[in-house]
Amino acid sequence: GAGVSQSPSNKVTEKGKDVELRCDPISGHTALYWYRQSLGQGLEFLIYFQGNSAPDKSGLPSDRFSAERTGGSVSTLTIQRTQQEDSAVYLCASSAGGLTDTQYFGPGTRLTVL
Amino acid sequence: KQEVTQIPAALSVPEGENLVLNCSFTDSAIYNLQWFRQDPGKGLTSLLLIQSSQREQTSGRLNASLDKSSGRSTLYIAASQPGDSATYLCAVRGSYIPTFGRGTSLIVHP
Repeated sequence: GAGVSQSPSNKVTEKGKDVELRCDPISGHTALYWYRQSLGQGLEFLIYFQGNSAPDKSGLPSDRFSAERTGGSVSTLTIQRTQQEDSAVYLCASSAGGLTDTQYFGPGTRLTVL
Repeated sequence: KQEVTQIPAALSVPEGENLVLNCSFTDSAIYNLQWFRQDPGKGLTSLLLIQSSQREQTSGRLNASLDKSSGRSTLYIAASQPGDSATYLCAVRGSYIPTFGRGTSLIVHP
């Protein structure tokens, strides 16, 4: 079956512009995560969605970052007024929703802010 | 706060060697531990998931062990091949949000 997909695979933008990154989780997965991976750094948690519950936004680095998940499926991560330090690979993962379930990752979106 | 450490940070070995990658964590109250592989420019691929009640999991040439009380997991790779070259990450789940280590970058040369 289809895995987690993300689009675009690469995004180059100018400082100050807004960007939207998309994640399509595995069908039926209720949990969805966004992470950021900067060069030479580990995975940084950004936001977590579980079903219809309010998302855990505790990892968002600033109010320029926001995310939504429509219909319990597709998610969009929006970065407003991008800065050069936002350059990173943004990874999305989904799972069936339980604490013991495997996380499945998408291929990521590489964001470059010039 | 959970902290996850992976040692070594990088490893270069000749083909055919057996390898051990280490992952340690500070809080033993976990549900499970997951090992991933990441190829350059790609996402993470799940290798093995060990639940807290389990001691080890095996898949092909890979074997992962978990010692919750000492806060350690090891990933054993038997008879390494150049295709095993990648970064290996462990993730510890004590809540719905897992904590990741920084990974071990492995190069297996012919």
